[in-house]
Amino acid sequence: DAMVIQNPRYQVTQFGKPVTLSCSQTLNHNVMYWYQQKSSQAPKLLFHYYDKDFNNEADTPDNFQSRRPNTSFCFLDIRSPGLGDAAMYLCATQAGTSYEQYFGPGTRLTVT
Amino acid sequence: AQRVTQPEKLLSVFKGAPVELKCNYSYSGSPELFWYVQYSRQRLQLLLRHISRESIKGFTADLNKGETSFHLKKPFAQEEDSAMYYCALEGANNLFFGTGTRLTVIP
Repeated sequence: DAMVIQNPRYQVTQFGKPVTLSCSQTLNHNVMYWYQQKSSQAPKLLFHYYDKDFNNEADTPDNFQSRRPNTSFCFLDIRSPGLGDAAMYLCATQAGTSYEQYFGPGTRLTVT
Repeated sequence: AQRVTQPEKLLSVFKGAPVELKCNYSYSGSPELFWYVQYSRQRLQLLLRHISRESIKGFTADLNKGETSFHLKKPFAQEEDSAMYYCALEGANNLFFGTGTRLTVIP
């Protein structure tokens, strides 16, 4: 009965090799978020979608892109991963009328 | 600018002892504050929200606007409370997290 699913759970990519992380939800929530969490740091918002409206945080690197083809799916594309992009990436959803965010289990990205 | 500070990275208490996890915030507007918890091998999930003024799993948190604090408290810690706790502030439709406190309850 997983509600927010992230695949894969662990991803290893090479320096500079594009990588895509995926998130899907069964909650039919209209808001979806991507967070980056580095070791011992707070989750940091990268961007979010309110329905199809994309909102990019000012300090999110250009290297990071996102796609939301439909309500259920959201993708995080890292065009040219650097060693500093190694982190846990968390996807979360929220109903527009609610205050609670529902998190996925995260994808741990390693860059070699 | 909004900021959430959790001064303790690690906190250990004995089972049955009171526990307080500290959270201070900085926000120019009227804050909405939350505590999220992550148990071992589980996903991050909402524990409680200040507006609800409810007690969840024996935890309470009171918003103190004068001290800009939202400390999480429980009078008698249990082993199953061992987890990572994040204080979060909602502002400008975004959620800003603190760096978290890892609570260990010693049997």
